[in-house]
Amino acid sequence: QVQLQESGPGLVKPSQTLSLTCTVSGGSISSGGYYWSWIRQHPGKGLEWIGYIYYSGSTYYNPSLKSRVTISVDTSKNQFSLKLSSVTAADTAVYYCASYRADPTGFHFDYWGQGTLVTVSS
Amino acid sequence: QSALTQPRSVSGSPGQSVTISCTGTSSDVGGYNYVSWYQQHPGKAPKLMIYDVSKRPSGVPDRFSGSKSGNTASLTISGLQAEDEADYYCCSYAGSYSLVFGGGTKLTVL
Repeated sequence: QVQLQESGPGLVKPSQTLSLTCTVSGGSISSGGYYWSWIRQHPGKGLEWIGYIYYSGSTYYNPSLKSRVTISVDTSKNQFSLKLSSVTAADTAVYYCASYRADPTGFHFDYWGQGTLVTVSS
Repeated sequence: QSALTQPRSVSGSPGQSVTISCTGTSSDVGGYNYVSWYQQHPGKAPKLMIYDVSKRPSGVPDRFSGSKSGNTASLTISGLQAEDEADYYCCSYAGSYSLVFGGGTKLTVL
């Protein structure tokens, strides 16, 4: 059973960079057919896809966040990371990491982390 | 890339059926059979309920079913149970390796 766990600061100051890491256990991040994803949910609001990365390093981002987002992968540690620059209060949200399966068996998010609340405040 | 349109809320009594719609465009819902649905209880991570429009993962009750017509996908829950009360989100592939979620629907079991 694959498990994902987010880690990182719960409080970030405005204009700084939000940094989170997702550790994958129970499976290899180098498995083909999976895109390692970040999704966020503003308080009381819906889900927003931030972007994802393939184990090879190819990245794909939500156009609305593309200028501020960097997703990277460390296959040796079975981890992938999110950096969101120049944050404001509008970036306060629960951030989830998840695996997006994209192969002949289906296209969907199958495993999710528990989510971590990041608050942007001075 | 705009969010897919879902009703903000739906409700039904135990045993009844409800349908939640998810409307997009020909660039997302209408263009691909890669629509998935997620159930989210308060304070919890989303859970996959339907993928590829109408496929059900193992462990998900067959009371949950999905379909698509044109640019609108639908999730139907039959034989409503109290534990079905949750928020539901659709998600579609939108081309060029991008994804888009719906705004979410709150299901109330009366």
